[in-house]
Amino acid sequence: DTGVSQNPRHKITKRGQNVTFRCDPISEHNRLYWYRQTLGQGPEFLTYFQNEAQLEKSRLLSDRFSAERPKGSFSTLEIQRTEQGDSAMYLCASSTVGTGIRVDGYTFGSGTRLTVV
Amino acid sequence: TQLLEQSPQFLSIQEGENLTVYCNSSSVFSSLQWYRQEPGEGPVLLVTVVTGGEVKKLKRLTFQFGDARKDSSLHITAAQPGDTGLYLCASHDYKLSFGAGTTVTVRA
Repeated sequence: DTGVSQNPRHKITKRGQNVTFRCDPISEHNRLYWYRQTLGQGPEFLTYFQNEAQLEKSRLLSDRFSAERPKGSFSTLEIQRTEQGDSAMYLCASSTVGTGIRVDGYTFGSGTRLTVV
Repeated sequence: TQLLEQSPQFLSIQEGENLTVYCNSSSVFSSLQWYRQEPGEGPVLLVTVVTGGEVKKLKRLTFQFGDARKDSSLHITAAQPGDTGLYLCASHDYKLSFGAGTTVTVRA
């Protein structure tokens, strides 16, 4: 397994267009996370899945954002009617659920850089 | 969501010098992770600390977790240009909450 894969690496879109990003996690990881990172900041949590179930959505995730993980494997993040404020790096991470005192190990993808013009 | 403060925001040093970056919170960490992120890439996990007072070493990097589990530090000895990057701390429960990071530049 080569790690977490994200596509595309870069996306430039016009304001008002819809965009979709894909994340392929490490195959044996049952948790998948989406984060957003803007310049000069750390990543901010958006949402996460355990298998195919979406367990939490951040308040940052407006109604224009939707994420799916239909078969508990890859995930997609769609942004409808993009705005300039959506410009950011969108990061995907996967992990296994820690048991007892073992802490989850997270592996991040290289991200998708979105620029809305 | 736990709020993490990292300091300094930026750090620029000469190759061979030592550096320390800090991560603080007003509340107790259940566990803390340190990541390094290079431009255009995702964060890469360096270490996880769980126990108050814990010290972990990773080659030239030394990580300390405060006794009260509210603070942590990362010390790099004899920094090299390859250590350049954004150093992030993150508190962990079932998800990660990151600080804003310290941008470290090591000049050759």
